[in-house]
Amino acid sequence: DAGVTQSPTHLIKTRGQQVTLRCSPKSGHDTVSWYQQALGQGPQFIFQYYEEEERQRGNFPDRFSGHQFPNYSSELNVNALLLGDSALYLCASSATGTGTQETQYFGPGTRLLVL
Amino acid sequence: SQKIEQNSEALNIQEGKTATLTCNYTNYSPAYLQWYRQDPGRGPVFLLLIRENEKEKRKERLKVTFDTTLKQSLFHITASQPADSATYLCALGNTGKLIFGQGTTLQVKP
Repeated sequence: DAGVTQSPTHLIKTRGQQVTLRCSPKSGHDTVSWYQQALGQGPQFIFQYYEEEERQRGNFPDRFSGHQFPNYSSELNVNALLLGDSALYLCASSATGTGTQETQYFGPGTRLLVL
Repeated sequence: SQKIEQNSEALNIQEGKTATLTCNYTNYSPAYLQWYRQDPGRGPVFLLLIRENEKEKRKERLKVTFDTTLKQSLFHITASQPADSATYLCALGNTGKLIFGQGTTLQVKP
């Protein structure tokens, strides 16, 4: 049973560029959440997708956008990159409506470096 | 605003001892609290979940307590091993999103 997968593993971009990160949820999961983790800090919630719609959003600017596809996979897009966007981007999946939706399973993350 | 605080200093203990990690929170009423383990450069791994109406949860060498009056959770690892060395994250949840603390780094020395 494949867990949560993310691609790419590492990425280097320059300021002002745009980036797209991808996530495939754990088998049987239909909800995907994205988090940003700066070095030495805990993950910060960006947004959550369910049924191809953004269900909740954290305190992140509109430069951060996402999408969920019919197969439950998801993308995170960041426009007009800033140096401060350098972080580990984590995708987590869960299963809504099963009684265990609170538990989120994380992928290995994408390390983004903005120069 | 919501605030979660974990032991700010790294925790160093001897193999075989019990490690106790603390998570305190303010301005929040979580429906549940979770503990995760994170190794360097990797994603967090789920360990335990405890709900607001539960006082204690156990899983093998792990024990979590949850006091909603004190707004505090304690996470215990008994008979600690060097392989338990990692960063441990506390996360509060209510409507699906998780709010994380900054993590506590545990170092277990042989």
